[in-house]
Amino acid sequence: SAVISQKPSRDICQRGTSLTIQCQVDSQVTMMFWYRQQPGQSLTLIATANQGSEATYESGFVIDKFPISRPNLTFSTLTVSNMSPEDSSIYLCSVVDRAYEQYFGPGTRLTVT
Amino acid sequence: QKEVEQDPGPLSVPEGAIVSLNCTYSNSAFQYFMWYRQYSRKGPELLMYTYSSGNKEDGRFTAQVDKSSKYISLFIRDSQPSDSATYLCAMNKAAGNKLTFGGGTRVLVKP
Repeated sequence: SAVISQKPSRDICQRGTSLTIQCQVDSQVTMMFWYRQQPGQSLTLIATANQGSEATYESGFVIDKFPISRPNLTFSTLTVSNMSPEDSSIYLCSVVDRAYEQYFGPGTRLTVT
Repeated sequence: QKEVEQDPGPLSVPEGAIVSLNCTYSNSAFQYFMWYRQYSRKGPELLMYTYSSGNKEDGRFTAQVDKSSKYISLFIRDSQPSDSATYLCAMNKAAGNKLTFGGGTRVLVKP
């Protein structure tokens, strides 16, 4: 299975600021996704990170709030912009391997004060 | 109504018992089914991945899919306290595509 790392693992940020989360994979992958897990909740897909083109966002998520970059097949970033306390969540990246199995990173725990 | 329903629990069992978890779904387009285990403050860990009706076994874990009933199950035999976690079912419409998750079931295995 792919080995996925995320930076930072956690952060406490002030409202109105932005945070960029990095996701690094140890092998080239075609599909990469970003999910959000709000406190006590399950996972909700934010967007599909497409290599070489704009990300595909799910209903309720917009590029201005969650800009995503995917410069190559092993790396992606998610930025949470103009943060409010409602953005306090765990943010997770996931990748799909050659067997179509989907693996998750350890997550970034964000608290907005 | 959510596309994937899962009882939130908590489900409390004694050590050594069989843990039985299930999810129901409403969209017949879902073809691939996964079970993840998530410990507190960790990312989800893939346990089982199935794509056909029937049973799939891996060690102490058995995944069961019934597409006609839109119902999937996960059984954990000989449960251990280390199995205490939240178990999430997930599914997608095409291999490698985005996942739709159930709400998760919290499991407590008591020594």
